[in-house]
Amino acid sequence: GQQLNQSPQSMFIQEGEDVSMNCTSSSIFNTWLWYKQEPGEGPVLLIALYKAGELTSNGRLTAQFGITRKDSFLNISASIPSDVGIYFCAGQDLKGNEKLTFGTGTRLTIIP
Amino acid sequence: DVKVTQSSRYLVKRTGEKVFLECVQDMDHENMFWYRQDPGLGLRLIYFSYDVKMKEKGDIPEGYSVSREKKERFSLILESASTNQTSMYLCASSLRESEAFFGQGTRLTVV
Repeated sequence: GQQLNQSPQSMFIQEGEDVSMNCTSSSIFNTWLWYKQEPGEGPVLLIALYKAGELTSNGRLTAQFGITRKDSFLNISASIPSDVGIYFCAGQDLKGNEKLTFGTGTRLTIIP
Repeated sequence: DVKVTQSSRYLVKRTGEKVFLECVQDMDHENMFWYRQDPGLGLRLIYFSYDVKMKEKGDIPEGYSVSREKKERFSLILESASTNQTSMYLCASSLRESEAFFGQGTRLTVV
């Protein structure tokens, strides 16, 4: 099955820095989702994007749905220790079979 | 809040056992999904269901089956557990044309 290309695979940053990660696909999706997963837990939905070009914020998180519908990025501003975890992008074809295709994840580590 | 509940957080089973992983959602969602998550491989779809008694194979259905007798419950069955099925199993549900919500995961170890 298809997987999305997500980069970077891992990030080590200092507390207070901004973070940026992105996801690209060879296929078009009509929804992009960003999830965060903490150790031993299931992924938690952070942001959902439904329209090409859409820019959506959720607190310190901002995500955009690329114009081509084949990419998305997630930014985290002023990182804090609780931002640690693995971030996954997912593309969803809501008019098709609605299953999610996931990126390989970005592991974020924050250095105090 | 949407709640997706998986019956066990941790399971240890023996090779050859029949294993049932249960998932229940309380939001009347039509769609339900089972994924497995392995280091370096991300989340891979095993099976999904659009409605009661309906199921479709995902990307890696071999060695698994599913059951959806009621809308709120989606069970993943390992007919004869093998060590290569040791993994984190994640259940998710969604409304039609809406984002998916995940359970907390079941970490299965087959010995």
